[in-house]
Amino acid sequence: GENVEQHPSTLSVQEGDSAVIKCTYSDSASNYFPWYKQELGKRPQLIIDIRSNVGEKKDQRIAVTLNKTAKHFSLHITETQPEDSAVYFCAASTLPGRRALTFGSGTRLQVQP
Amino acid sequence: DAGVTQSPTHLIKTRGQQVTLRCSPISGHKSVSWYQQVLGQGPQFIFQYYEKEERGRGNFPDRFSARQFPNYSSELNVNALLLGDSALYLCASSKHTGTGVVYEQYFGPGTRLTVT
Repeated sequence: GENVEQHPSTLSVQEGDSAVIKCTYSDSASNYFPWYKQELGKRPQLIIDIRSNVGEKKDQRIAVTLNKTAKHFSLHITETQPEDSAVYFCAASTLPGRRALTFGSGTRLQVQP
Repeated sequence: DAGVTQSPTHLIKTRGQQVTLRCSPISGHKSVSWYQQVLGQGPQFIFQYYEKEERGRGNFPDRFSARQFPNYSSELNVNALLLGDSALYLCASSKHTGTGVVYEQYFGPGTRLTVT
């Protein structure tokens, strides 16, 4: 089955700096890679996703890159703000058949004001 | 549109008991998935249902079962509760038309289950 590894487990940055979270996956058939943000005591919220037919996607301060050859994808947050502080999870999904998401172990991002 | 809803919010059960958790998907979504999130870890896939049929099952024992109703809502049942079943149980809904395209999964607020 799919295995997703996520690094780092914790990340502390100064407000205004950039943050990068990296994930690797094992199943070369995986073709959908979402990122979720989870604040303490709240539900995971989808913040951005990328499909295997593109290499990069941006949404304002957030971008995701995908390297299918190396089987890794990354989340980039620019101009970080204190409200970006949360746990971020990457995930991978394989088609057809198994449409479940396999999640990474999470990265706790702390943005220091 | 209302988001994914789950009930109850919190639940405390004793070892050996049974529990039923409920989920209502976003209007228009036909697929419901269940995940277990242990504190400090990422969600782990338990089941996926689409059009009332089980379409996927994760690595969980037979004590876990689920079903989906004609209105696309879903229940997750856990029998013979163990201390290790204490976790946040998340429900996610997606369009999943069955055409082979992966649609985004949106999570509910979860049910916090504590087994004592």
